[in-house]
Amino acid sequence: GESVGLHLPTLSVQEGDNSIINCAYSNSASDYFIWYKQESGKGPQFIIDIRSNMDKRQGQRVTVLLNKTVKHLSLQIAATQPGDSAVYFCAENISNTGKLIFGQGTTLQVKP
Amino acid sequence: GAVVSQHPSWVICKSGTSVKIECRSLDFQATTMFWYRQFPKQSLMLMATSNEGSKATYEQGVEKDKFLINHASLTLSTLTVTSAHPEDSSFYICSARVSYGLATDTQYFGPGTRLTVL
Repeated sequence: GESVGLHLPTLSVQEGDNSIINCAYSNSASDYFIWYKQESGKGPQFIIDIRSNMDKRQGQRVTVLLNKTVKHLSLQIAATQPGDSAVYFCAENISNTGKLIFGQGTTLQVKP
Repeated sequence: GAVVSQHPSWVICKSGTSVKIECRSLDFQATTMFWYRQFPKQSLMLMATSNEGSKATYEQGVEKDKFLINHASLTLSTLTVTSAHPEDSSFYICSARVSYGLATDTQYFGPGTRLTVL
């Protein structure tokens, strides 16, 4: 159900530092995981994905780590820039359904 | 890349009226589209799965008679909020799944529609 009244956790970092955003997922049957970035008033933007047969995947300035043992996902952003300020959501694909279940999200604030 | 559009981007309506939101995949065909609702400071909540040429599948707690979904073509799905009330005010986002014939396919999201019911 909806988490009425909860506020998104916030991560505040200095420009140029590395950011690590964490996410715990719930379903052992999830086989595909995606990180999305959402700026205010906009739809989610795909950042990077990883399948359950991998534990690490790298993109441009971003790395996703997957730990299936503890059902944990993380997004690492290198050399964080002001343009990275947004809300970041992890999403898990429920196997054989194609449905995405979104995590609660983390607000990333980049201080100049 | 795969582009998804929504129209309108925002709408204000009076309580009791119906509002239709369109979701289009611009440069690809999408057999499956999804509709989400997002309240302020909260995450996206899946409302329904829309399959081209068949009835939508609604998530638990979502009223199918209130949120009418039509997926008449491979590039268009519509969500109609019937008899809207102030509690329906929200950010509605659609996504379209690009099918590469894999078990895991990427969803691309539209820009969202802000609905305000007075």
